[in-house]
Amino acid sequence: NTKITQSPRYLILGRANKSLECEQHLGHNAMYWYKQSAEKPPELMFLYNLKQLIRNETVPSRFIPECPDSSKLLLHISAVDPEDSAVYFCASSPRQNNNQAPLFGEGTRLSVL
Amino acid sequence: QQKVQQSPESLIVPEGAMTSLNCTFSDSASQYFAWYRQHSGKAPKALMSIFSNGEKEEGRFTIHLNKASLHFSLHIRDSQPSDSALYLCAVSGVTNAYKVIFGKGTHLHVLP
Repeated sequence: NTKITQSPRYLILGRANKSLECEQHLGHNAMYWYKQSAEKPPELMFLYNLKQLIRNETVPSRFIPECPDSSKLLLHISAVDPEDSAVYFCASSPRQNNNQAPLFGEGTRLSVL
Repeated sequence: QQKVQQSPESLIVPEGAMTSLNCTFSDSASQYFAWYRQHSGKAPKALMSIFSNGEKEEGRFTIHLNKASLHFSLHIRDSQPSDSALYLCAVSGVTNAYKVIFGKGTHLHVLP
């Protein structure tokens, strides 16, 4: 799937700050960040609908999303923790009237040392 | 808070068998329902979705929704080894249809 691009694909960090990037060229209105830890389903972290943020209140404050425009999504992580090791998926979906299941990017695999 | 549960947790079937996967959800006001398939190390990929009660068939896959029972299912006819994967059901939120919540998944193994 090259319609949603994520970078970087792999990330190995000590206790550092880093940003994940996502871009979609599908004209979708909604963009998501999901976290998938080993042997678990994707867990919704943040959702932007027409650039309005809806957050999962259980996500630690060291994760800060940013939506600079309707096609781009960033996830800033400050002082990563070992429990943050997971695959972070960006996803997007079109307008509500079209009701399509979110399309996922290939993910960024984060390993925290 | 929407609750989405899947059964069984894992399933082993022989090649050619009919496979049935189940998903229950907590709120009948949910707006759409989807099944995803995730191969190991890959991104989840949407298989099928449905918005109103009834059945929908696409090739070997059939999705069935009963909102009153808070239940939907995926049936795979003539299961193939390539169908072996993690199957995730997904349900939209009630107050926000974009808020898609996943079940914990069913690991399907199709033996050749």
